[in-house]
Amino acid sequence: QVQLQESGPGLVRPSDTLSLTCDVSGHSITSDNWWGWIRQPPGKRPEWITYFYYTGSDYRNPSLKSRLTMSADTSKNQFSLKLASVTAADTATYYCARSSGGVVPNWFDSWGHGIQVTVSS
Amino acid sequence: EVVLTQSPATLSVSPGERVTLSCRAGQTIANNLAWYQQKPGQAPRLLILGASTRAIDVPARFSGRGSGTEFTLTISSLQSEDFAVYYCQHYNGWPPEATFGPGTKVDF
Repeated sequence: QVQLQESGPGLVRPSDTLSLTCDVSGHSITSDNWWGWIRQPPGKRPEWITYFYYTGSDYRNPSLKSRLTMSADTSKNQFSLKLASVTAADTATYYCARSSGGVVPNWFDSWGHGIQVTVSS
Repeated sequence: EVVLTQSPATLSVSPGERVTLSCRAGQTIANNLAWYQQKPGQAPRLLILGASTRAIDVPARFSGRGSGTEFTLTISSLQSEDFAVYYCQHYNGWPPEATFGPGTKVDF
């Protein structure tokens, strides 16, 4: 059974870069799946950030596109997200998730527990 | 971007009742819709994919219907563990993107 676990700092200063990692167990990230990042501000709906394939292909939320960097470390079975120039509006719980297999990514069938990230000085 | 609206925003019900939640898309999306359940402090849990297919281990009391722009999620007999927020999600646009609706809170 696949399990995902986010890690990273809980507090990031404005204008800094947020860096998160998702450790995956029970399923290889090189299998035929897309992977994703989703965030959820307190009391609000989830917001899709990106779909990511371990080879480096990705699709990004247009509102975040220019600030995003994604990568994968297949030897550790993990993938990572970097969000540059953060502001208070980036405060949210960040989730990594598995998107089901196929040519085009779609729903998210397994999620990590989430990590609360606060942007504040 | 596909805009999703959900109604009602909040639904007050009692255990054992039949509950129907609505999700409407701003443009036709075929059956490219998923439903999730989220309890406080937890990640969303996939319930329905392809508008009507239950995900693995989802109880049969959950059912999804719809195509095009109008979708529903029905809980045939609400259990105490079903009190949660329910989100719909569109996928498979081009370029691929995911959009979530604002959610419906099901509570007492």
